Amino acid sequence: NAGVTQTPKFQVLKTGQSMTLQCAQDMNHNSMYWYRQDPGMGLRLIYYSASEGTTDKGEVPNGYNVSRLNKREFSLRLESAAPSQTSVYFCASSEAQRGYNEQFFGPGTRLTVL
Amino acid sequence: AQSVAQPEDQVNVAEGNPLTVKCTYSVSGNPYLFWYVQYPNRGLQFLLKYITGDNLVKGSYGFEAEFNKSQTSFHLKKPSALVSDSALYFCAVRPRDNYGQNFVFGPGTRLSVLP
Repeated sequence: NAGVTQTPKFQVLKTGQSMTLQCAQDMNHNSMYWYRQDPGMGLRLIYYSASEGTTDKGEVPNGYNVSRLNKREFSLRLESAAPSQTSVYFCASSEAQRGYNEQFFGPGTRLTVL
Repeated sequence: AQSVAQPEDQVNVAEGNPLTVKCTYSVSGNPYLFWYVQYPNRGLQFLLKYITGDNLVKGSYGFEAEFNKSQTSFHLKKPSALVSDSALYFCAVRPRDNYGQNFVFGPGTRLSVLP
């Protein structure tokens, strides 16, 4: 039982390049999330997927797109990377059947945009 | 607007002493409340949560948290700190009447336990 896995662990991009961050969970959770973590700002929600087939914007969606490929996988795409997207990105999942379910986090992807 | 405050960026405590990491929130209604811990270069790990009932909640690794409705606070506590407790701690809330999965996280408090 691996929990939530993310690839890659590290990535360096040049401004304007594109990339996709991959996330998978093996806990049969319905909901999945993408956050970014910046110093002193906690975690900010980029996009989430309440269930397979649905996605919704979070607090900071600009410059990102997501795909809920199936129940297990939720990817985050940067179409044209900008230095402001330098951050640590976390994927998370939860059962989502009730509001008090905690989230389970992946190990993160550290992205640098030059 | 919903917000979570952790008034201390850094908390230092000697090993064996009690520790408190503070959290206050501004969210409508009675939210669900959570604490997470993040060790270096790792994702967040769930520690404990308040749903309803007893204001004192016990969680993993000997941590507990006290919910105070009148002060809208949810402070994390541990009776005797360990050096291995040194990490970044996040408070999070989720509105009880919102099924939109919108957790709100505080900015984090770095705990250093000194040997």
